[in-house]
Amino acid sequence: GNSVTQMEGPVTLSEEAFLTINCTYTATGYPSLFWYVQYPGEGLQLLLKATKADDKGSNKGFEATYRKETTSFHLEKGSVQVSDSAVYFCALSDPFANQAGTALIFGKGTTLSVSS
Amino acid sequence: EADIYQTPRYLVIGTGKKITLECSQTMGHDKMYWYQQDPGMELHLIHYSYGVNSTEKGDLSSESTVSRIRTEHFPLTLESARPSHTSQYLCASSEGYEQFFGPGTRLTVL
Repeated sequence: GNSVTQMEGPVTLSEEAFLTINCTYTATGYPSLFWYVQYPGEGLQLLLKATKADDKGSNKGFEATYRKETTSFHLEKGSVQVSDSAVYFCALSDPFANQAGTALIFGKGTTLSVSS
Repeated sequence: EADIYQTPRYLVIGTGKKITLECSQTMGHDKMYWYQQDPGMELHLIHYSYGVNSTEKGDLSSESTVSRIRTEHFPLTLESARPSHTSQYLCASSEGYEQFFGPGTRLTVL
C-alpha cells in the first residue's frame, strides 16, 4: 500500500543553519507530494507541493524536489529562523488509490526546534 | 474570507458525557475529513465524507460518529466520552489534492 516515511525528530538547529528533513514514499500510480507545517496550537498549513516528477515546490525559503527515481521529496531550507520551529509533515495523494482520490497519506511528522 | 472553523478550541469534560465537535467551512468543498492527532503528533484519519449524506470510516477505528447534512458542516459526536478519547481532533476539507485544515479541538476527558 501507499506510505510515507519521514526522518524521526526532533531536529534541533541554531538560527541560520541549513535544514534537511528527509521524506521517502511508496505509492502506486503517480502521486502528488506535499509538505505541511503545524505551528504550536494550530492546524496544518500547506507549505509546498509538487504534482509530477522533477517538479520543485518552494515557499517561504523552503524547497523540495519530487524525485521519482529515488521516491523522495526531501525538505530543505538554507537558513532557518526561530519562527520556523514547528512540526513538518510529508504527505502524498494518489489519484488512483481510492474513490475519493483526495485522501492524503501523512508521514509521522518531524519536530523542528530552532534556537537563537 | 473562505476558511474552515472548529469549535470549541479546547474542551475539558468528565467521563460519560456526550459531546459534539463542530467543523464548518465556507469554501464550498464537497470532501471533508476528521483526523485524530496523538501526542507524538502522528495523524490518523477517522472519518471522511464525499458530500452531503455521505460518510465513511477512516483508517483508525473510532467510537465517534459523524454526519453531513449540509455541505459546509461536518460535526463529530462522541456519545459517551472516555479518557481514551483525550486527543487533538483536526477537521479538513478539500477540492482536488490540497487539504485545508481547521485549527483543531483539543479534547481532555477526565
